[in-house]
Amino acid sequence: QSVLTQPPSVSEAPRQRVTISCSGSSSNIGDNAVSWYQQLPGKAPKLLIYYDNLLPSGVSDRFSGSKSGTSASLAISGLQSEDEADYYCAAWDDRLNGWVFGGGTKLTVL
Amino acid sequence: QLQLQQSGPGLVKPSENLSLTCTVSSGSIGSSYSYWGWIRQPPGKGLEWVGTIYYRGNTFYSPSLKGRVTISLDTSNNQFSLTLTSVTAADTAVYYCFFSSSALGIAAGSFDYWGQGTLVTVSS
Repeated sequence: QSVLTQPPSVSEAPRQRVTISCSGSSSNIGDNAVSWYQQLPGKAPKLLIYYDNLLPSGVSDRFSGSKSGTSASLAISGLQSEDEADYYCAAWDDRLNGWVFGGGTKLTVL
Repeated sequence: QLQLQQSGPGLVKPSENLSLTCTVSSGSIGSSYSYWGWIRQPPGKGLEWVGTIYYRGNTFYSPSLKGRVTISLDTSNNQFSLTLTSVTAADTAVYYCFFSSSALGIAAGSFDYWGQGTLVTVSS
């Protein structure tokens, strides 16, 4: 049981837009920055979004992040087949004094 | 661009210690505001944070692993290491080293760069 809650899977057609939610509490998302990671099959995770909504250099602007209260979202627009991957959210938890992750969301591009 | 290269055994016997090393290139483990650490992923499962060490030596460990995990810096070789003691089958996972940088403290950071991952299997 992960501290942050994500839907196990989402699917959408190519060129469409999809959002992945990440729900937490006041001790993690409500008080600290959220980051998002993409993990392609058999690969190490890659940073997509940091500090809630900032894109690292080299990451496509089709990816965007937002946060409201104790929930965060990752949006991917103009879906492409290469976006098929697992996506994870993460945040520091003040109560646990450690990093916590969502359980991951598998994105399927139909 | 910073690169992290992991090394260490892929098979560890139950009750023994797991040891992994992450060598840093194109960067320094002594860089200001840098955090270094480990995340693991059991086969077919999600990511789990193991622990983090600040460039000044302060350590943060997962509550579920506290007492068994140690992360240390080797500034002379620009490396950092993970030791997990008394392993069981539940410690079987792909272990990733990571780098984070945050002048606003650990809670404002993210896992900016990752190692390639090492599958460690605990089995006799």
